[in-house]
Amino acid sequence: ETGVTQTPRHLVMGMTNKKSLKCEQHLGHNAMYWYKQSAKKPLELMFVYNFKEQTENNSVPSRFSPECPNSSHLFLHLHTLQPEDSALYLCASSQNPSGGFYEQYFGPGTRLTVT
Amino acid sequence: DAKTTQPTSMDCAEGRAANLPCNHSTISGNEYVYWYRQIHSQGPQYIIHGLKNNETNEMASLIITEDRKSSTLILPHATLRDTAVYYCIVRVAGNQFYFGTGTSLTVIP
Repeated sequence: ETGVTQTPRHLVMGMTNKKSLKCEQHLGHNAMYWYKQSAKKPLELMFVYNFKEQTENNSVPSRFSPECPNSSHLFLHLHTLQPEDSALYLCASSQNPSGGFYEQYFGPGTRLTVT
Repeated sequence: DAKTTQPTSMDCAEGRAANLPCNHSTISGNEYVYWYRQIHSQGPQYIIHGLKNNETNEMASLIITEDRKSSTLILPHATLRDTAVYYCIVRVAGNQFYFGTGTSLTVIP
């Protein structure tokens, strides 16, 4: 247990569905992240939130919409996804990264399959 | 941030030391070296980090060469549970992590 939980752990959805992934951290951190890991590819950073403000969006398609209502919760809203979006989606948290050297704590991930 | 080069895969006998190398020849003076590992289908786990000096914690040791162009992660007594992909990352404070493809370590009974 890393103190970062993700639900659901597995999700199968059709291309016309709308679903949301949830992440919660119990570590008192103030930065949260979404990563995507496709089969046999490196982790790709998608979004970064610092003190609930989005500070990074690495050219992610608009069909992925993040939401950070407070420093403990992070959502990824999914809409009209493509089969190539099937991947492991990982959430992470850390202390504020600005000017600091820190480790990120990762959740177990959500295995998403788009049919 | 500087990029890293790691062997694609390695084997290690159970109970022996696992030495995982990493080249980071373009590292700059203010970039730290981080190591993470990822056990199959789980989230990555932080192991250790360092700047210039060698570091040791309860999980591993990190040896950084004097010119800082390479480093070695040492797992002193590898167990089957250490089978994972190990990522060597260099970064400046506040910047993003680039995980690369890592080294797939298999610990053999």
